[in-house]
Amino acid sequence: QSVLTQPPSASGTPGQRVTISCSGSSSNIGSNYVYWYQQLPGTAPKLLIYRNNQRPSGVPDRFSASKSGTSASLAISGLRSEDEADYYCAAWDDSLSGVVFGGGTKLTVL
Amino acid sequence: QVQLQESGPGLVKPSQTLSLTCTVSGGSISSGSFYWNWIRQPAGKGLEWIGRIYMSGSTNYNPSLKSRVTISIDTSKNQFSLKLSSVTATDTAMYYCARIVGGDPWFDPWGQGTLVTVSS
Repeated sequence: QSVLTQPPSASGTPGQRVTISCSGSSSNIGSNYVYWYQQLPGTAPKLLIYRNNQRPSGVPDRFSASKSGTSASLAISGLRSEDEADYYCAAWDDSLSGVVFGGGTKLTVL
Repeated sequence: QVQLQESGPGLVKPSQTLSLTCTVSGGSISSGSFYWNWIRQPAGKGLEWIGRIYMSGSTNYNPSLKSRVTISIDTSKNQFSLKLSSVTATDTAMYYCARIVGGDPWFDPWGQGTLVTVSS
């Protein structure tokens, strides 16, 4: 049972816009930055979004994210086949004094 | 650029201690406000943060693993290590090392991961 809650799966067709939610609490998302990671099959996770909504260089602007209260969301617009991957949210948890992850969302491009 | 590489036994017997090392190249483990982390992922499951260490030796551990985990750092070898004691089959996972920028879970870069199987 992960501290941050994500839907286990999401899907869309090429060109569509999909969103993935991440729900937490006041001790994690509510008081700290949210980060998003993309994990392609058989590879290590890759930083996708930092500090709630910032993209590292090299990440397409099709990827965007937001945070409100104790929830966050990742949006992918203009969906492409190469976006098929697992997506994880993460945050620092003040109560646990540690990093917490969401359970991950498997995105399927139909 | 900084690269991380995990190493260690791929097979550990139940009740024994899992030991892994992460070697940092392309930069000093002692420079900057970086924390050095271990994360694991059982096959087909999500990511679990194990713990982190600062260059000073200060550590934070996942409360669920704290009683069995030790993370140490060797600045002379530019390495940090993980020891997980009393392992069981549930500790079978891909183990990653990763660097955090500052205190937030800004993991970048990651090692490629090493698979550890707990079996007799």
